[in-house]
Amino acid sequence: GQQVMQIPQYQHVQEGEDFTTYCNSSTTLSNIQWYKQRPGGHPVFLIQLVKSGEVKKQKRLTFQFGEAKKNSSLHITATQTTDVGTYFCAGDSSASKIIFGSGTRLSIRP
Amino acid sequence: NAGVMQNPRHLVRRRGQEARLRCSPMKGHSHVYWYRQLPEEGLKFMVYLQKENIIDESGMPKERFSAEFPKEGPSILRIQQVVRGDSAAYFCASSTNRGTEAFFGQGTRLTVV
Repeated sequence: GQQVMQIPQYQHVQEGEDFTTYCNSSTTLSNIQWYKQRPGGHPVFLIQLVKSGEVKKQKRLTFQFGEAKKNSSLHITATQTTDVGTYFCAGDSSASKIIFGSGTRLSIRP
Repeated sequence: NAGVMQNPRHLVRRRGQEARLRCSPMKGHSHVYWYRQLPEEGLKFMVYLQKENIIDESGMPKERFSAEFPKEGPSILRIQQVVRGDSAAYFCASSTNRGTEAFFGQGTRLTVV
């Protein structure tokens, strides 16, 4: 079945450093979504990418969708303590369900 | 416009009892997804429903688990004869269409004692 893998599982950075998480799907995706979950909270939608090679930015966050529509990345520039949480990618392969990656947990040293 | 409402937020059940988790999607949303999350783990897909129909239940155990989304009322995830391994957070999400942005509820934390 379809699998969505995410690396790294954990990332601990100094405040102000950059952070990147990578997402790879075993099948071609029709779109990919990114979510953030704060500790003890629920996932919150960040963005959706649809087009091959698409790049979108939200302030310090940059999202990319690979040319083959099988991988994606989220890059945060100059992390802040408010960025703490787990970042999930979620892939839709035109099948019926949205499959979430295992997530990357970001922690930050002030 | 109220968000996705899940209740109860916390549920404690003894082994062998039934657990009923409710999810009211956002207004105008006809697609509902249920996910299960163990502590410090990812979101595991369980079931995808549209009004009155189960579209995909491939992530749901064949026994003891069932889900419904009736024409009127909330979506229900039912777990019969709960066991300790069922303890987890269960999240519901809704969307307007398949493949569009999903809005999550705050989850139900089920503890089986």
